[in-house]
Amino acid sequence: QKEVEQNSGPLSVPEGAIASLNCTYSDRVSQSFFWYRQYSGKSPELIMSIYSNGDKEDGRFTAQLNKASQYVSLLIRDSQPSDSATYLCAVIKIQGAQKLVFGQGTRLTINP
Amino acid sequence: NAGVMQNPRHLVRRRGQEARLRCSPVKGHSHVYWYRQLPEEGLKFMVYLQKENIIDESGMPKERFSAEFPKEGPSILRIQQVVRGDSAAYFCASSYSGTLRSTEAFFGQGTRLTVV
Repeated sequence: QKEVEQNSGPLSVPEGAIASLNCTYSDRVSQSFFWYRQYSGKSPELIMSIYSNGDKEDGRFTAQLNKASQYVSLLIRDSQPSDSATYLCAVIKIQGAQKLVFGQGTRLTINP
Repeated sequence: NAGVMQNPRHLVRRRGQEARLRCSPVKGHSHVYWYRQLPEEGLKFMVYLQKENIIDESGMPKERFSAEFPKEGPSILRIQQVVRGDSAAYFCASSYSGTLRSTEAFFGQGTRLTVV
């Protein structure tokens, strides 16, 4: 079982709609979760972090965490063509030294 | 205020040659992480270093790969006797502390290695 799993997509969403990205993780003791956005040929950039169950909103982005289900999601409201990118879910692995463990990423395309 | 600097951005090596990838962390950061990304895949952890110490190398292949982060100068990821399967993007990230919950890890632009 992969430590962090995402639907690889591609996910296609019309402009203005809500894009929903999902991620599951295997280590029940994980406490910290992140969403990174990566444009083609570029480096990942952090867009959201979440540590507690529930929702966390930042502008058009909402991260949702359910530790009981080991599930974290990212919602993008009012999707824009500039949101087209690969979204990477990451979890801090705490066995030994802390490090980020990434899912395989979901490619999102927003269609004008 | 420079971010994480990686060089070269693109590197082409013939099979059997050595590849050296450099990473200068954000000023004041003493924690460096190396990741490898194959096309259409996520980032795979390779190694975590602090100044002069390898903290976690659980993601490093057992042969041909090595990493260092000297007291002075950039962190270096070295790949000896490269093979075509080493072709990938290699990203470096740095953080102020090793407690990643309380400090963001910043990524460099990556080095894209092509083995021909």
